[in-house]
Amino acid sequence: DAGVIQSPRHEVTEMGQEVTLRCKPISGHDYLFWYRQTMMRGLELLIYFNNNVPIDDSGMPEDRFSAKMPNASFSTLKIQPSEPRDSAVYFCASSDTWEGTDTQYFGPGTRLTVL
Amino acid sequence: SQQGEEDPQALSIQEGENATMNCSYKTSINNLQWYRQNSGRGLVHLILIRSNEREKHSGRLRVTLDTSKKSSSLLITASRAADTASYFCATEIYNQGGKLIFGQGTELSVKP
Repeated sequence: DAGVIQSPRHEVTEMGQEVTLRCKPISGHDYLFWYRQTMMRGLELLIYFNNNVPIDDSGMPEDRFSAKMPNASFSTLKIQPSEPRDSAVYFCASSDTWEGTDTQYFGPGTRLTVL
Repeated sequence: SQQGEEDPQALSIQEGENATMNCSYKTSINNLQWYRQNSGRGLVHLILIRSNEREKHSGRLRVTLDTSKKSSSLLITASRAADTASYFCATEIYNQGGKLIFGQGTELSVKP
């Protein structure tokens, strides 16, 4: 398997623009997680899905952030409008309940810079 | 404060020395996991220890878990320059299966 795939790897945008980050989890995995990592706040869980259904979105900073998982092989994280403080590395991860351990497999991340 | 807090925040050692990192947590857990992150990359799972286990080994890695003290340690023996990375502990909270809570990480630097 190719692992968790994220796109784009780098995104530079201007304040106020809409940003869409994409994730393809490992085939067969039933959990998908979105994280944000910054120097100041470390690794924060934003939202996670189980079988395409959002389970916990309490980490989503505000209404400007939204996430969808229309099918088992694709998820998006959207920021609209973007602000400079959203600059961070965003990671997607997936896991498989049947492993019984909740080990998470991370994608390479999307480095977002909002000017 | 954080569910997982790690100590030290940064550690610098010479190649060949052992590196020990500690993690403390606050609530009952199903398991505790350690992950590694190389600069600019995603996290990679290293090792998992279940709540009913006390020690586990994997190659040069040794993990201990003390549920009475709510703490864990990761020991890397005979460190190499390639071990330079950030190391995170993550806990799966009891009865909250599926979600992991990550600590702030320990930044390890191994000098050749």
